[in-house]
Formats: sequence, structure tokens, C-alpha cells
Amino acid sequence: AQTVTQSQPEMSVQEAETVTLSCTYDTSESNYYLFWYKQPPSRQMILVIRQEAYKQQNATENRFSVNFQKAAKSFSLKISDSQLGDTAMYFCAFMKHYNAGNMLTFGGGTRLMVKP
Amino acid sequence: ETGVTQSPTHLIKTRGQQVTLRCSSQSGHNTVSWYQQALGQGPQFIFQYYREEENGRGNFPPRFSGLQFPNYSSELNVNALELDDSALYLCASSKGQGRGRVSEAFFGQGTRLTVV
Repeated sequence: AQTVTQSQPEMSVQEAETVTLSCTYDTSESNYYLFWYKQPPSRQMILVIRQEAYKQQNATENRFSVNFQKAAKSFSLKISDSQLGDTAMYFCAFMKHYNAGNMLTFGGGTRLMVKP
Repeated sequence: ETGVTQSPTHLIKTRGQQVTLRCSSQSGHNTVSWYQQALGQGPQFIFQYYREEENGRGNFPPRFSGLQFPNYSSELNVNALELDDSALYLCASSKGQGRGRVSEAFFGQGTRLTVV
């Protein structure tokens, strides 16, 4: 079974600053996907970024980037130029590679507050 | 908006009752997963349906059951409700593309179930 751990229950950052959210995971799989999801007060999970484990290059989506360390089983999210709209819960998630769908294992979440 | 709709948005039930939650998947998606998110925690995978058949289940008792219909919409049924079943129930749909291929999961806004 897989486990995902987010060790930072809450974080805050000033608008326009950079913040990094941590995530570690445990698995015996060699091929898998990792995700960061954002859950604003509207409750809807929104995909922020995904990383395929077989790719060494770290994924980047505009202001969001990851630091994927496969050997260390670490997958952190960096948010640059933080905006007020980034305030939300952030969840790290794991999914096995061979999967017809979306069986995700989530971490406990990090509540991020962006301050003006 | 992701195109995944859930109903109802809120629901209050009494312990011991039965409840049915509904999810309409995004157009073109054939896979639906259900998650339970207790307050302040990450979502936990309940089960997944692919082309009308259950093809994965998390650590939930048999009183949690589901259906997927020919139009790929889905229902989650919970019998003999317990107080601990109070949670946000999230539905996610994706397009299953067969073994080894993954498409993005799109989430609905969830149903908030309160058991009293």
C-alpha cells in the first residue's frame, strides 16, 4: 500500500513571495504518477501539476513547479509570485501507473494562506 | 467548472438511515471514482467504476456500494449510516484509456453529508 505524508499542516506567505510545500511518499512501485491538487473553499479539487515518475525533468506549470526526488521519495511544490487566489488547501497525491482511471492516495493536506 | 456535477450539495440524515449520492461525469469520460473527505483530512478512495463495473475498492465496508449507468453517471449508496460517515463525498471522472495510460481526473464540488 502507498502512503503520502504532508508534514506542514499550515503555511503562510506574503503576496508575491515564493513558498514551498513538502510531500513525501512511500511505495514499492517503480512507475507511478504524483499530483498536487488545490482545494479552495468552493470544495472542488483542481489539478495544479502532475509528474510522471519515469521522467527525470521536474514538471512546471506557469508559477507552479515541483522538485521531484525519486530516490528520496520526495515531491515538493514551489509556488512563485504567490497570489491571493492561491489561498487554499493543497493536497499531494499518488497514483499507480497501470490504472484505468483515478485511484488516488492523498496526503493530509497543507492549508496555505497568502497574505496581502 | 469541470463538467462533473454532484447532487445534492448538502444532506442531513439520521443514524441508521440509508443515503444515495449522485454524480454525472464529464462528457466522454467512462471512469468514475468516489472519495470520502472527513473534515480537516485528505480524501480517501472508496471505489472506482470503469465501464459500469467496479474495478477498484478502498478500505471501506460493504455498506458502501455503488453503481455506474450506461451513460457513465454514478451513484454512491451508504446503508446503516453511522455518525463517522459525516464527511464531504467527492466524485471524480476521467477517461480510462487502458492499461498504462492515465488521463486527468476532474472532480465535482462534492456532497456534504451530515449524520445526526
